[in-house]
Amino acid sequence: SAVISQKPSRDICQRGTSLTIQCQVDSQVTMMFWYRQQPGQSLTLIATANQGSEATYESGFVIDKFPISRPNLTFSTLTVSNMSPEDSSIYLCSVESLGTSGGSSSTDTQYFGPGTRLTVL
Amino acid sequence: AQRVTQPEKLLSVFKGAPVELKCNYSYSGSPELFWYVQYSRQRLQLLLRHISRESIKGFTADLNKGETSFHLKKPFAQEEDSAMYYCALSGPSGGSYIPTFGRGTSLIVHP
Repeated sequence: SAVISQKPSRDICQRGTSLTIQCQVDSQVTMMFWYRQQPGQSLTLIATANQGSEATYESGFVIDKFPISRPNLTFSTLTVSNMSPEDSSIYLCSVESLGTSGGSSSTDTQYFGPGTRLTVL
Repeated sequence: AQRVTQPEKLLSVFKGAPVELKCNYSYSGSPELFWYVQYSRQRLQLLLRHISRESIKGFTADLNKGETSFHLKKPFAQEEDSAMYYCALSGPSGGSYIPTFGRGTSLIVHP
């Protein structure tokens, strides 16, 4: 299993500002994911962050709005830029623990951080 | 496209009653299905997975390919089962298995 921590756990921000969320894992992982959970909505994948390459963004999310860093195999950051009230959400970091196949397969398990609750005024 | 539907936003039962949280999926292939749980003030965690065919905390879930369902069941609900439950589907997409989540069902078990 993997133990994941996120900072900050919550924040209240003003419109137009930016917030960087940090995700730290206690072991080296290849794939890290950033999700968003808006009120009443399902978890939505923002992007996949692989070490040593550009993050891969899902439809509806762009790098200018959600820049991601992945400097090493245990750490990643997600920045929510130029925030608006619509960005109020819980942001979750997740990592993939490889299954017995040793590679990306459906037997892999995802572990989630505690989340960052963001409120934009 | 893969999709997961959890039709109930809220399910309220009394302690000792049976509980079933519904999950239907849409996927053209053989997906893997999971249930995740988030207790109050705790992180999201894996509850069980279809491939393991196991029972965790008294919960079971059977994959019904004919009905494309993966309902979560427990014969006798306990108060500590109160939590948010997410059904997730994982199938190959571009070489990776990034899951798709349902919107979640809030289970409240009354004493």
